[in-house]
Amino acid sequence: DQQVKQNSPSLSVQEGRISILNCDYTNSMFDYFLWYKKYPAEGPTFLISISSIKDKNEDGRFTVFLNKSAKHLSLHIVPSQPGDSAVYFCAALRNGYALNFGKGTSLLVTP
Amino acid sequence: SQTIHQWPATLVQPVGSPLSLECTVEGTSNPNLYWYRQAAGRGLQLLFYSVGIGQISSEVPQNLSASRPQDRQFILSSKKLLLSDSGFYLCAWSRQGAWGEAFFGQGTRLTVV
Repeated sequence: DQQVKQNSPSLSVQEGRISILNCDYTNSMFDYFLWYKKYPAEGPTFLISISSIKDKNEDGRFTVFLNKSAKHLSLHIVPSQPGDSAVYFCAALRNGYALNFGKGTSLLVTP
Repeated sequence: SQTIHQWPATLVQPVGSPLSLECTVEGTSNPNLYWYRQAAGRGLQLLFYSVGIGQISSEVPQNLSASRPQDRQFILSSKKLLLSDSGFYLCAWSRQGAWGEAFFGQGTRLTVV
């Protein structure tokens, strides 16, 4: 049962524009959310996170928004750069240590 | 600084053969440890996690098992591999009591033939 869902398997965005990656979750016990970036044949690397007590967290070009009532979060990348092309995983945390990942969204930023 | 080592990087094994993937973490103590799998066309699936020596929690029933014989060592095993065990296996660690980021190894590409 997929408790963290990324319904868009891929996304293509032009360089300089905004990339919006979406994530939905079903388990109301999740209280911390993270985004990871992954290149082929490598392990994921942490990008940005947000606690359930917040609705927004910003780090440079990356902003994560959380809508608890809708059980939805999104990652905004502005402006998008070709180096941002990768697979992005949404993850949710419960009990402090059990990360549940979505299936990922492959982002392609075109020049 | 903390580092995580996972080996081997690639592995080709026949169906029915055993499996042992090893992961070690350096530079920290009492980490949470995880095994994930990314099957072709699918996302990251949490297989096992451990909050301490000898403490293993399984997220999905399957042909695999995990063990934590030492504080910073996490082993993924199988007695008899199936074709469906093929995938990209990732070990990860996070700090005890810390909310959030896990640090991943470089992964093992397992192909069962």
